[in-house]
Amino acid sequence: GENVEQHPSTLSVQEGDSAVIKCTYSDSASNYFPWYKQELGKGPQLIIDIRSNVGEKKDQRIAVTLNKTAKHFSLHITETQPEDSAVYFCAASKNYGQNFVFGPGTRLSVLP
Amino acid sequence: ETGVTQSPTHLIKTRGQQVTLRCSSQSGHNTVSWYQQALGQGPQFIFQYYREEENGRGNFPPRFSGLQFPNYSSELNVNALELDDSALYLCASSRVPGDGYTFGSGTRLTVV
Repeated sequence: GENVEQHPSTLSVQEGDSAVIKCTYSDSASNYFPWYKQELGKGPQLIIDIRSNVGEKKDQRIAVTLNKTAKHFSLHITETQPEDSAVYFCAASKNYGQNFVFGPGTRLSVLP
Repeated sequence: ETGVTQSPTHLIKTRGQQVTLRCSSQSGHNTVSWYQQALGQGPQFIFQYYREEENGRGNFPPRFSGLQFPNYSSELNVNALELDDSALYLCASSRVPGDGYTFGSGTRLTVV
């Protein structure tokens, strides 16, 4: 079955700097890759997603890149703010989202 | 507000007991998925329902079962609770499989 790895497990950046989180997946049939942000005591919140027919997608300060050949995708957050501090999860799925396999998460801390 | 409501928010049960967790999706969301999130880990897919039929199942034993109702509500039932069932249980809904999912805030289940 699908296996998703995520690095780093923790990341601390200064406010205003950029943050990059990387994920790899094992199943070449996966075709949908969402990123979720989870704050303490809350459920995961979708922040951006990308489908396998696209190499890059951007939404304001957040961007995701996908390399299907290497089977990895990355989340890029620019101009980080303290409210970006949370746990971020990447996920992969086949059939455009029938079920997601999540990575183990990255705890991002943005220091003021 | 996420549009997905889960109840109860916290629950303590004794090993061997049975538990029912509830989820209320927003109108028009015909797809509901349940995930188990152990502390410090990413969510793991339990199963998905689409239009009241099971539409996929993860690697969970049959004592995990579910129901979806026409009013966009659903249940997760767990029989013969084990200590390892202690986790945050998340419900996620969308209009159809493949749309971006909206997660609820979860039910924190503790088995003692």
